[in-house]
Amino acid sequence: KNEVEQSPQNLTAQEGEFITINCSYSVGISALHWLQQHPGGGIVSLFMLSSGKKKHGRLIATINIQEKHSSLHITASHPRDSAVYICAVHMNRDDKIIFGKGTRLHILP
Amino acid sequence: DVKVTQSSRYLVKRTGEKVFLECVQDMDHENMFWYRQDPGLGLRLIYFSYDVKMKEKGDIPEGYSVSREKKERFSLILESASTNQTSMYLCASSLLPGQGSNEQFFGPGTRLTVL
Repeated sequence: KNEVEQSPQNLTAQEGEFITINCSYSVGISALHWLQQHPGGGIVSLFMLSSGKKKHGRLIATINIQEKHSSLHITASHPRDSAVYICAVHMNRDDKIIFGKGTRLHILP
Repeated sequence: DVKVTQSSRYLVKRTGEKVFLECVQDMDHENMFWYRQDPGLGLRLIYFSYDVKMKEKGDIPEGYSVSREKKERFSLILESASTNQTSMYLCASSLLPGQGSNEQFFGPGTRLTVL
């Protein structure tokens, strides 16, 4: 079983829809990271959080430490949001990072 | 503005060739990482370094070596490239734990094809 699971693996939605991507993990963590990877490969950090909620523009990330779960929300989605979104956790025990396999999001105009 | 750069975006090499992938960061970070990314497998750690001349094996070090002669530069070396090393290679850097945020900053990636 993977220590970091993301769902869904693939998501296609219409422009304007509210998007939710989920991340569940099974290890003790010090922080959780949401990353965005556009076609072409470069990875950009969206959020790093260890509790509660963070918001940046149309993006919102939440984490529930007790439930070992985080969500990334996109409001008023736009075709330029089309990318792979990756959840990564910093493990408590050795500070290593474990990555989820990513969620491929495609927003249709 | 923080920056991690990689020497090539696309690279095509032949089986058996020695391949160097270079990564440079301008943030004075101690930690540097090399990952490979493959469909269905996500990002996997090859090697990391927490200081000049220091290196630690990641999850999949076989077939790779690294060099960290200067703080800002971390090189990944494929001694004898093989077709199963065709992949996207990503470099990242971060501060050491305890120095502040351990957020990782990624380079643009190098897509390596080994024929």
